Amino acid sequence: ILNVEQSPQSLHVQEGDSTNFTCSFPSSNFYALHWYRWETAKSPEALFVMTLNGDEKKKGRISATLNTKEGYSYLYIKGSQPEDSATYLCAFSGGYQKVTFGTGTKLQVIP
Amino acid sequence: DGGITQSPKYLFRKEGQNVTLSCEQNLNHDAMYWYRQDPGQGLRLIYYSQIVNDFQKGDIAEGYSVSREKKESFPLTVTSAQKNPTAFYLCASSIGDRNNEQFFGPGTRLTVL
Repeated sequence: ILNVEQSPQSLHVQEGDSTNFTCSFPSSNFYALHWYRWETAKSPEALFVMTLNGDEKKKGRISATLNTKEGYSYLYIKGSQPEDSATYLCAFSGGYQKVTFGTGTKLQVIP
Repeated sequence: DGGITQSPKYLFRKEGQNVTLSCEQNLNHDAMYWYRQDPGQGLRLIYYSQIVNDFQKGDIAEGYSVSREKKESFPLTVTSAQKNPTAFYLCASSIGDRNNEQFFGPGTRLTVL
């Protein structure tokens, strides 16, 4: 079983603060790194799929970077809003036709 | 509307009974997946299928079985051999390649009494 780790496990920030989380994954046999947002009572939804070292993706106030050589990805949220409260999951695609998920970072944005 | 559906939302079964969870998608996706979530853990892969009539074991396949007779459907059977079946089960699908995002259903919460 591949080791995909996310930190921190949970996070509380004030509305308007910027924040970031980390996803660590194996640096060998890399194919893709996925980020998902999972809001309470909803299904996980994809934010980004990143495939190239040095990739940077952005969607509104959320962005992500990828370093495949050292095996990490950062997810950034600028100016957090209460609606950003969710669990953020990363998932690693390696040398197999499957995706391995991390345990997630649970973000709570306090108004 | 295109999407992925799971039924039922909540399911209760007695210990020792097999139970089948439904997963249907109308997205024309080739790949489908079953995950299990337990408190404090991430999504763990049970089974996946890249194409009709073919499927592979994931990381925690013991005590589960699947079939993929139609592209749209990927039912999961939780057998009596599964030692701790109470969990939240999520089904997902993707276009096919592992580089493509997965689309998730709403999940089924199974409780074994």
